[in-house]
Amino acid sequence: DTEVTQTPKHLVMGMTNKKSLKCEQHMGHRAMYWYKQKAKKPPELMFVYSYEKLSINESVPSRFSPECPNSSLLNLHLHALQPEDSALYLCASSQEHRGQREQYFGPGTRLTVT
Amino acid sequence: AQSVTQLDSQVPVFEEAPVELRCNYSSSVSVYLFWYVQYPNQGLQLLLKYLSGSTLVKGINGFEAEFNKSQTSFHLRKPSVHISDTAEYFCVWTSYDKVIFGPGTSLSVIP
Repeated sequence: DTEVTQTPKHLVMGMTNKKSLKCEQHMGHRAMYWYKQKAKKPPELMFVYSYEKLSINESVPSRFSPECPNSSLLNLHLHALQPEDSALYLCASSQEHRGQREQYFGPGTRLTVT
Repeated sequence: AQSVTQLDSQVPVFEEAPVELRCNYSSSVSVYLFWYVQYPNQGLQLLLKYLSGSTLVKGINGFEAEFNKSQTSFHLRKPSVHISDTAEYFCVWTSYDKVIFGPGTSLSVIP
């Protein structure tokens, strides 16, 4: 199984809502990533978890809160978002957080903030 | 700072014609290079990777890429494209703990 799953596929939320994005992999990977992708742009790295510990936070605003409950699951908690946060949110995983390891991407969650 | 350049933002090509998508990187330290493809409304999928060894790398769907250290390039090629190759292509440079995406090249295959 080389699949990374993400739920939901689409999410519309108001600026005062609280919601969560979920990502799951069963490949035994020990590194998991959150990316934000705007239209016609490359993905931008947000967070990296390595062995269930947050190892990289690319200066992401605190209205985005990641969580890694176990080695297979990654959540992204959303609160008080802004319309400019509307984007495709991609989750990825790799065997380890090392440069030579390829990443496996999920299909993404299309987020719209109204 | 490290960077990845993809010189062509859009490449239109007729079906069954060859194509080359260009990628140049700025760092010679710990070079790991990847090409990913993103089909419309989907996540990214690995096409091929260069870690070390042979400079000609073969990937999925008939794609190949050549690593050229002197020119700091990693161009992607396919001898004959299909309609289904229409997608966004990203060249990615990584080091031990950094991931740098190129801006992407949009390949449009014309019937």
